[in-house]
Amino acid sequence: DQQVKQNSPSLSVQEGRISILNCDYTNSMFDYFLWYKKYPAEGPTFLISISSIKDKNEDGRFTVFLNKSAKHLSLHIVPSQPGDSAVYFCAASEGPQGGSEKLVFGKGTKLTVNP
Amino acid sequence: NAGVTQTPKFRILKIGQSMTLQCTQDMNHNYMYWYRQDPGMGLKLIYYSVGAGITDKGEVPNGYNVSRSTTEDFPLRLELAAPSQTSVYFCASRSQGNTGELFFGEGSRLTVL
Repeated sequence: DQQVKQNSPSLSVQEGRISILNCDYTNSMFDYFLWYKKYPAEGPTFLISISSIKDKNEDGRFTVFLNKSAKHLSLHIVPSQPGDSAVYFCAASEGPQGGSEKLVFGKGTKLTVNP
Repeated sequence: NAGVTQTPKFRILKIGQSMTLQCTQDMNHNYMYWYRQDPGMGLKLIYYSVGAGITDKGEVPNGYNVSRSTTEDFPLRLELAAPSQTSVYFCASRSQGNTGELFFGEGSRLTVL
């Protein structure tokens, strides 16, 4: 039973346009959400996070939106750059301020940004 | 600053063999994790540790063992390797109080034939 779902295995966008990656979750106890980026042959790297007390968090070109009622979050990348081409994982955790030892990951979405 | 270092990067095992994946971090993090990633799948937690001498099972612990004798090291032991353990293994760590931001190693690709 997947608690964190990324239903789009891949996404292709043109350089300079917006990339929107989506993530749905089923566990209502999740209260902290993170996005990781992974390049081939490397480990995932932390990108951005959001607490359930917020509905938006922005860091440069990256913005994460959280819709708790829909159990949905999305990552927006504006403008998209070829270097953003990677696999993006959505992750979630229970517990106060994400302090749970266990992160649950989605299957990932492979983003390709075409020059 | 090395961060999280995993060895080996690649390994081929025969069914029934055993091996240890090494993981070392130099950030003085209390929390350490082992994940596996199968093709087209997300990362699944095998074991984790909240400090030296303390370990606990994750989602998929069967066929694996861990130990945490020091803050820096968190080796993962595979006993009696099986083809189902063919995967990419990632070690990760985080500091206490850090809200879920994990630092990952580069991964160890294991093939069991």
